[in-house]
Amino acid sequence: GDSVTQMEGPVTLSEEAFLTINCTYTATGYPSLFWYVQYPGEGLQLLLKATKADDKGSNKGFEATYRKETTSFHLEKGSVQVSDSAVYFCALMEGGKLIFGQGTELSVKP
Amino acid sequence: GAGVSQSPSNKVTEKGKDVELRCDPISGHTALYWYRQSLGQGLEFLIYFQGNSAPDKSGLPSDRFSAERTGGSVSTLTIQRTQQEDSAVYLCASTRPGAKETQYFGPGTRLLVL
Repeated sequence: GDSVTQMEGPVTLSEEAFLTINCTYTATGYPSLFWYVQYPGEGLQLLLKATKADDKGSNKGFEATYRKETTSFHLEKGSVQVSDSAVYFCALMEGGKLIFGQGTELSVKP
Repeated sequence: GAGVSQSPSNKVTEKGKDVELRCDPISGHTALYWYRQSLGQGLEFLIYFQGNSAPDKSGLPSDRFSAERTGGSVSTLTIQRTQQEDSAVYLCASTRPGAKETQYFGPGTRLLVL
């Protein structure tokens, strides 16, 4: 079946550093891809998505590009803030349900 | 507006007991999903209801797990004869008609089986 692999954490960065969280997927077709975020003490929420190859999803300064050639959907942000500290999940949609990666915990220090 | 709500927020039970977890989706949302978040398994799909169609139960880990959705709205996830490995956060999500790619998640129910 389809699956998602993302880089393991935790990732610790200083404020204003550049962030990359790697995500690759295995799928028989071309599924929609997502990044979800879970802030401390809060529920899971959609951060961004891309529905076809070469699409770029963006939100709150975060970006990810759907790369069919490398089956990747890496999350990037040019300058992280303390408030970005959270757990980030890469996911794909298969048959209406989400298949998640293991999650990457990000901690941003002032 | 009101989001997805789940109850209870926390549940502690003894091994072998049955538990029921409730999910109230956003009003008007036709699809409802249950996921489980555990340390060992990460975030995994359990079951998916879409309108009046038969649910997709492909993610339920054993026959001790079942779920129903009454009146196309509220859903209950039941775990019979709980085991310690059932300890996890159980998440519910819902989507608007025709917009299944944006799932709105509830805060979850944290289940601890002693």
